[in-house]
Amino acid sequence: GENVEQHPSTLSVQEGDSAVIKCTYSDSASNYFPWYKQELGKGPQLIIDIRSNVGEKKDQRIAVTLNKTAKHFSLHITETQPEDSAVYFCAASIGNQGGKLIFGQGTELSVKP
Amino acid sequence: DTAVSQTPKYLVTQMGNDKSIKCEQNLGHDTMYWYKQDSKKFLKIMFSYNNKELIINETVPNRFSPKSPDKAHLNLHINSLELGDSAVYFCASSPAGIDEQYFGPGTRLTVT
Repeated sequence: GENVEQHPSTLSVQEGDSAVIKCTYSDSASNYFPWYKQELGKGPQLIIDIRSNVGEKKDQRIAVTLNKTAKHFSLHITETQPEDSAVYFCAASIGNQGGKLIFGQGTELSVKP
Repeated sequence: DTAVSQTPKYLVTQMGNDKSIKCEQNLGHDTMYWYKQDSKKFLKIMFSYNNKELIINETVPNRFSPKSPDKAHLNLHINSLELGDSAVYFCASSPAGIDEQYFGPGTRLTVT
């Protein structure tokens, strides 16, 4: 079946450093790749997304890259701050199944001051 | 002015009981979803409704029954609760034909 693999499961960085989280997906028909940030006790919050016709997208300190040939995409956070600490999830849409998203296992990011 | 809201936020109940979780969105979206997040934080879709019509129905026990009275509401009813149903349940919504999904704050269900 379709799946999304996400690495690493935990990531600890010093404030100001960069953080990179990587995901691979299995469904070659996937065309939408969102990233979510989940803080403790809250729902996942959409932070950035990319579609298959674009290779890279940036929003301030956050960027996402997509390699459709290799079926992998990555989240890059620069100049990390303690408030970036959270669990991050990648996801991939599944073919033409009406908005169905398959999520990665999550990465717990800790930014140490 | 919460975009996607869920009630209750916490639900503690005993095995065998029947309970409901309610979800409402004021974004004008046509599609709503229910997700289950287990103790390892894995998020998995359960159901999706588009304009009150069921469009995604994953392999979920038939003790779980979604109901959409209108496109702004999607409720989840669970019969004969089991210990393994303990999890956080999230409602989400998205505009028709667009993939961005916006999540509610979650309902933590604990079955004892």
